[in-house]
Amino acid sequence: EVQLVESGGGLVKPGESLRLSCEVSGFIFSDYAMNWVRQAPGKGLEWVSTINPESTYTYHADSVKGRFTVSRDDAKNSLYLQMNDLKAEDTAVYHCVRDWGYGVYWGPGTLVTVSS
Amino acid sequence: DIQMTQSPSSLSASIGDRVTITCRASQAISTHLVWYQQKPGKTPKLLITAASTLQSGVPSRFSGSGSGTEFTLTISSLQPEDFATYYCQKYNSAPFTFGPGTRVDLK
Repeated sequence: EVQLVESGGGLVKPGESLRLSCEVSGFIFSDYAMNWVRQAPGKGLEWVSTINPESTYTYHADSVKGRFTVSRDDAKNSLYLQMNDLKAEDTAVYHCVRDWGYGVYWGPGTLVTVSS
Repeated sequence: DIQMTQSPSSLSASIGDRVTITCRASQAISTHLVWYQQKPGKTPKLLITAASTLQSGVPSRFSGSGSGTEFTLTISSLQPEDFATYYCQKYNSAPFTFGPGTRVDLK
């Protein structure tokens, strides 16, 4: 069974950092591109970051470019999102997502709240 | 970057109604489009890939069409469990932009 479980969310102040993790099981992690998608309270879905299977390419939304960094450790079946200089508008549930299209799987998400 | 829009942003409908949601891309994306259904407190559920391929287990009252820049999601006969928010998303290349969503509620 495919499982994705995010962790690392919490309450932080503006300007602080946080590192999210996503541990996966049930599939060969190294075969898949992985993504982060967030959803602010009561708002729509926003793509955040993507990393390809060999970590040779990473992509970030303009809203987080220069502040967030996606990475992966295939030996640990884990995906990460390093979030620096957090802003109030980064408050959201962050989902780990496997691939796109018919192979997509979503984790339940971890809540990040940025507030003073 | 390619922008994704959806119309309407919300709609009210009755059980049994035919419902159509439109998604537009600011540049052609061939058929690299998916549709999701999301209910409150839940993760999005994949309905359609490649603009028109119904995912396994999704009722046949859902259908998708379109290519290039204009796409539609149709629910042929709305059922109680279909009240939700629907999102389109392009997935051909980054940025993997979502549409803003269409909320379907009970009239």
